[in-house]
Amino acid sequence: AQRVTQPEKLLSVFKGAPVELKCNYSYSGSPELFWYVQYSRQRLQLLLRHISRESIKGFTADLNKGETSFHLKKPFAQEEDSAMYYCALSRNRDDKIIFGKGTRLHILP
Amino acid sequence: ETGVTQSPTHLIKTRGQQVTLRCSSQSGHNTVSWYQQALGQGPQFIFQYYREEENGRGNFPPRFSGLQFPNYSSELNVNALELDDSALYHCASSWGGRASTDTQYFGPGTRLTVL
Repeated sequence: AQRVTQPEKLLSVFKGAPVELKCNYSYSGSPELFWYVQYSRQRLQLLLRHISRESIKGFTADLNKGETSFHLKKPFAQEEDSAMYYCALSRNRDDKIIFGKGTRLHILP
Repeated sequence: ETGVTQSPTHLIKTRGQQVTLRCSSQSGHNTVSWYQQALGQGPQFIFQYYREEENGRGNFPPRFSGLQFPNYSSELNVNALELDDSALYHCASSWGGRASTDTQYFGPGTRLTVL
């Protein structure tokens, strides 16, 4: 069965330092991958998806099929990046989305 | 353009009772998905409705059921509540009926506590 693993429950990073939130998945096919974010007291929202190859709020994520990973990166952390981040996978465009357990990113001043 | 709304915000029920959660989709959206998020877990897909028909279901028992109305608002019904049903329930609306490629807009969630 498909699975999304986010190995870190909590990641603390100093402001201005690089950020990398790890995401590994298990699926033998070619999945669609996403990162969702939930800021404090706000609703869950899509941050980016790998098919768009876009950079949102300075974040990027590259799909590495060999390592089955989709890590989220940002070169310089900002305090407003503090939030809960969820990596998610879908087997294909018509299938449900499977979420990981999430990583809480805490940006230290 | 109005966003996704959910009601109630919080509610408390006892084991064995039934509950109905409501969701109003974002204007123009014809698809709604429901997710359950237990404490410390990521959201888990319950089911999706597209144009009033169920369009996919996750690994949830039949006591979880839903409805989508002609105005695309939606309900999630849970019968015979169990303690493990305590969770945050998300509703997400989108356009197009495809679970993953269409951007889903989430509501604020309903916190259900089962005692």
